[in-house]
Amino acid sequence: DTAVSQTPKYLVTQMGNDKSIKCEQNLGHDTMYWYKQDSKKFLKIMFSYNNKELIINETVPNRFSPKSPDKAHLNLHINSLELGDSAVYFCASSQGVFTGDMNTQYFGPGTRLTVL
Amino acid sequence: GENVEQHPSTLSVQEGDSAVIKCTYSDSASNYFPWYKQELGKGPQLIIDIRSNVGEKKDQRIAVTLNKTAKHFSLHITETQPEDSAVYFCAAQPPGYALNFGKGTSLLVTP
Repeated sequence: DTAVSQTPKYLVTQMGNDKSIKCEQNLGHDTMYWYKQDSKKFLKIMFSYNNKELIINETVPNRFSPKSPDKAHLNLHINSLELGDSAVYFCASSQGVFTGDMNTQYFGPGTRLTVL
Repeated sequence: GENVEQHPSTLSVQEGDSAVIKCTYSDSASNYFPWYKQELGKGPQLIIDIRSNVGEKKDQRIAVTLNKTAKHFSLHITETQPEDSAVYFCAAQPPGYALNFGKGTSLLVTP
């Protein structure tokens, strides 16, 4: 069973389009994250939700909007895609938030977004 | 905010040799230090982690050491095998804040 899954795995689209990436975790975790990995492999957090509430919102253009319909799902919607949005986007989850033994994060397989 | 530096950026070793990757962090409040392995086309996978109340942790061929005074931590892989080839990331997390990742080390183990 896949613990953290993402769809699609690959996404190729034109500049200006709107697209969504979906993430689901079956670990029973309360916290989910979106990360962006650029061409140099640098991993940067974008958002985090705990029990459907936004708890981290890094300096990300407001064209990016996360949505958490329930604590097992965290989707990422991107409006007006730009060339610079091309990257691999990873979803992750953890039992809890930030402290104690619950903050170990488990990553999904990634979605490679290419904007032409 | 927390800043994590990771060295080297690339590392090539012969099969059977040891590999060491070092990271430094800036926020003395950081208390959680995981290491992730990322194989080509896959997501990062946790391989070992250490918390600030421990100085060393070992799991088979992998060990991590933490020096809180100097604010650095290291990953040691012994008896390396070709399947250890991957990109390795260190990270540090202060309480109440997100994980901050190093820029990664590309490890190549040659037979």
